[in-house]
Amino acid sequence: QQQVKQSPQSLIVQKGGISIINCAYENTAFDYFPWYQQFPGKGPALLIAIRPDVSEKKEGRFTISFNKSAKQFSLHIMDSQPGDSATYFCAASQSNTGNQFYFGTGTSLTVIP
Amino acid sequence: DTAVSQTPKYLVTQMGNDKSIKCEQNLGHDTMYWYKQDSKKFLKIMFSYNNKELIINETVPNRFSPKSPDKAHLNLHINSLELGDSAVYFCASSQVEGRESFGPGTRLTVL
Repeated sequence: QQQVKQSPQSLIVQKGGISIINCAYENTAFDYFPWYQQFPGKGPALLIAIRPDVSEKKEGRFTISFNKSAKQFSLHIMDSQPGDSATYFCAASQSNTGNQFYFGTGTSLTVIP
Repeated sequence: DTAVSQTPKYLVTQMGNDKSIKCEQNLGHDTMYWYKQDSKKFLKIMFSYNNKELIINETVPNRFSPKSPDKAHLNLHINSLELGDSAVYFCASSQVEGRESFGPGTRLTVL
């Protein structure tokens, strides 16, 4: 059973546009929601993360929006650049269960010049 | 300084062989993991170790066995390799409060 559902599977955005990737979860005990960025041939790298006590977190061009009641969270990449082209994974974890992370299925983002 | 390192980076072997992948982290994290990433880039957790104790063991074949000699190391042993084991294997570590750090991955190809 997929604990975290992610969409879309792939996304093509023009340079300067906004990239939006959505995730949904079922387990209300999850209390940590990170986003990871993975370039070809590399391991996933933590991009930005949020805890459910806030509805939004912004770091540079990257923003997480979190809707606790809907059990959804999304990644917004403002002013998307070709260098942002990568695969993005959302994840969720519950800190009192050994910190197991459940990953979404990934979104392949391509930013065209 | 490399935070999470894995060796080897590439591993090509014949079916039926036994192989090991090594992982080391210098972050002082309490928990280490092994993930398998298939050709569709789906990340699946295989094992998790916390303070040298296995705390998560997903439904992976018992041909796979994690071994943790100490808190900074979690090695993955694979017996009787099969074609379907071909994938990229990532080691990762984290503290209790989150922030999982991944290694660079080991691409395993079984011929």
